[in-house]
Amino acid sequence: AQSVSQHNHHVILSEAASLELGCNYSYGGTVNLFWYVQYPGQHLQLLLKYFSGDPLVKGIKGFEAEFIKSKFSFNLRKPSVQWSDTAEYFCAVNSGNNDMRFGAGTRLTVKP
Amino acid sequence: DAGVTQSPTHLIKTRGQQVTLRCSPKSGHDTVSWYQQALGQGPQFIFQYYEEEERQRGNFPDRFSGHQFPNYSSELNVNALLLGDSALYLCASSLGPAGRYEQYFGPGTRLTVT
Repeated sequence: AQSVSQHNHHVILSEAASLELGCNYSYGGTVNLFWYVQYPGQHLQLLLKYFSGDPLVKGIKGFEAEFIKSKFSFNLRKPSVQWSDTAEYFCAVNSGNNDMRFGAGTRLTVKP
Repeated sequence: DAGVTQSPTHLIKTRGQQVTLRCSPKSGHDTVSWYQQALGQGPQFIFQYYEEEERQRGNFPDRFSGHQFPNYSSELNVNALLLGDSALYLCASSLGPAGRYEQYFGPGTRLTVT
């Protein structure tokens, strides 16, 4: 069955540190990939998405993600985090059948 | 432009009861998906409605059912509630199938089953 793994449950960084959150999925066919973010007290919102084309995708607020098909990965990166990036981050995968699978989420805490 | 709205915000029910949760999609959206998010977990896909029909369903029992109205709003019904149904229920709307279009999420309904 299709599944999504986010290996980091809780990440703590200082401001200006670089961020990489891992996401791996277990589906061999064509996939659409997403990263969602949930800031404290707010709704889930889309950070970025990959459907096809350039495997390096840029999203809002300086985030980017790289799709590596051979590794079934879609890791999220940001070169320099800010306190305001403190949030929960969810990776999601869809295989084209409208069934969106989310990972368990990674809680990011950025210390000022 | 109102985003996705859900009602009620919180709900407490007893085991065995039935519950109905409501969702109004973002203006212009015709597709509604429902998710269950248990504490400390990511959202789990329940089902998706488009053109008033269930188009896709996740791994949830028949106790979970839904409906979409002509104005694209939607209801999620859960029968014979179990303690394990306690969760945040999220509604998301999109312009089309969830896999190809950005989903906009509502604030959720927190259901507690005692």
